[in-house]
Amino acid sequence: DTGVSQNPRHKITKRGQNVTFRCDPISEHNRLYWYRQTLGQGPEFLTYFQNEAQLEKSRLLSDRFSAERPKGSFSTLEIQRTEQGDSAMYLCASSLVPQWGTEQYFGPGTRLTVT
Amino acid sequence: DAKTTQPTSMDCAEGRAANLPCNHSTISGNEYVYWYRQIHSQGPQYIIHGLKNNETNEMASLIITEDRKSSTLILPHATLRDTAVYYCIVNQLPGSNYKLTFGKGTLLTVNP
Repeated sequence: DTGVSQNPRHKITKRGQNVTFRCDPISEHNRLYWYRQTLGQGPEFLTYFQNEAQLEKSRLLSDRFSAERPKGSFSTLEIQRTEQGDSAMYLCASSLVPQWGTEQYFGPGTRLTVT
Repeated sequence: DAKTTQPTSMDCAEGRAANLPCNHSTISGNEYVYWYRQIHSQGPQYIIHGLKNNETNEMASLIITEDRKSSTLILPHATLRDTAVYYCIVNQLPGSNYKLTFGKGTLLTVNP
């Protein structure tokens, strides 16, 4: 257990439905990242927050995706009008910057299956 | 970020050292070498990182060549629980934009 929690752990939804995932980082960590991982691939960066500010979004993050981190604590990732191609593991990570040698601590992920 | 090349898979006997290579020939002067691993159905786990000197911690050792174009992660006494996908990542100094760019990694299988 890294101290980063994600809920739910598994989500099955029908195409066209909206889903929301939650990430609770390590409490003192100011940076929070979202990644997506499909079968057989390494995780791919989606977006990151420094405190409550969303500082970068990947081109992978289409208009159907939105992420928030109100008050710089937990974060949510919402996918609207889900598509089968959205099926993946969604990983959250947190870190404390600026700190020399700071690594990212990953949560266990939320596995999304779109039917 | 510089690209890395790793073997797709490797085997190791339990109790022996596992040496995982990584090529990063386009690494630039301000980029670090990071290693993470991902055990099946879990999130990635940080192992170690380094700039140009060899590094050791409780999990592993990292050997970086003098020209910094390649590195080797060493697990000195591999156990069955070390079976995982190992990712070598080149990234800039923490504190800047620190997003990780994962490749496909090396699947290390530790055999009894």
